[in-house]
Amino acid sequence: NIVLTQSPATLSVTPGESVSLSCRASQSISTSIHWYQQKSNESPRLLIKYASQSISGIPSRFSGSGSGTDFTLSINRVESEDFSIYYCQQSYSSLLTFGSGTKLEIK
Amino acid sequence: EVQLVESGGGLVQPGRSLKLSCAASGFTFSNYYMAWVRQAPKKGLEWVATISTSGSRTYYPDSVKGRFTISRDNAKSSLYLQMNSLKSEDTATYYCARQIQWLDYWGQGVMVTVSS
Repeated sequence: NIVLTQSPATLSVTPGESVSLSCRASQSISTSIHWYQQKSNESPRLLIKYASQSISGIPSRFSGSGSGTDFTLSINRVESEDFSIYYCQQSYSSLLTFGSGTKLEIK
Repeated sequence: EVQLVESGGGLVQPGRSLKLSCAASGFTFSNYYMAWVRQAPKKGLEWVATISTSGSRTYYPDSVKGRFTISRDNAKSSLYLQMNSLKSEDTATYYCARQIQWLDYWGQGVMVTVSS
């Protein structure tokens, strides 16, 4: 199985700061990585597909990059509504896997 | 508008069975792979099962393989998850989701609690 390791587990930031969240795959997966946001007591929401492709309706401050084994979700100027948990997911294998998540919290 | 509505959750004893349903609307159900994803209390997301458009191909992680069965009825735009030999570690909120390579639409989730 492909293991996804997200870091850091928790990231404390002040609104207005820009941040980068990491997702590392246990083997090369090309760009078959997708990012989700999950707010408390809500279902996950797709943010980015195929590492860097934008999703309709998602604010432009969210962007993704990377290929192979190292991927990054960037948030430009974090807003109060962005404080939540972020997950990466791979689809290189038919056996999907998620990372363990990064919690973005207010400093 | 795409909608996915799960049902069938509840409290069940260890070793027993439960069947979840997901009613889909707002898109051509038969054109999409579908998946189940679960989330144990205060834990992360875990993929549970995927089914192809016709239902001929199914995929599971080792944690549920042989105990869970995903199925679909394209005529009813419905997705199912038959869960047998339930264990306490299967306690979670179960989401159905539309799958392309990514999961672009999710239901609101249904809670399954496995406890005596």
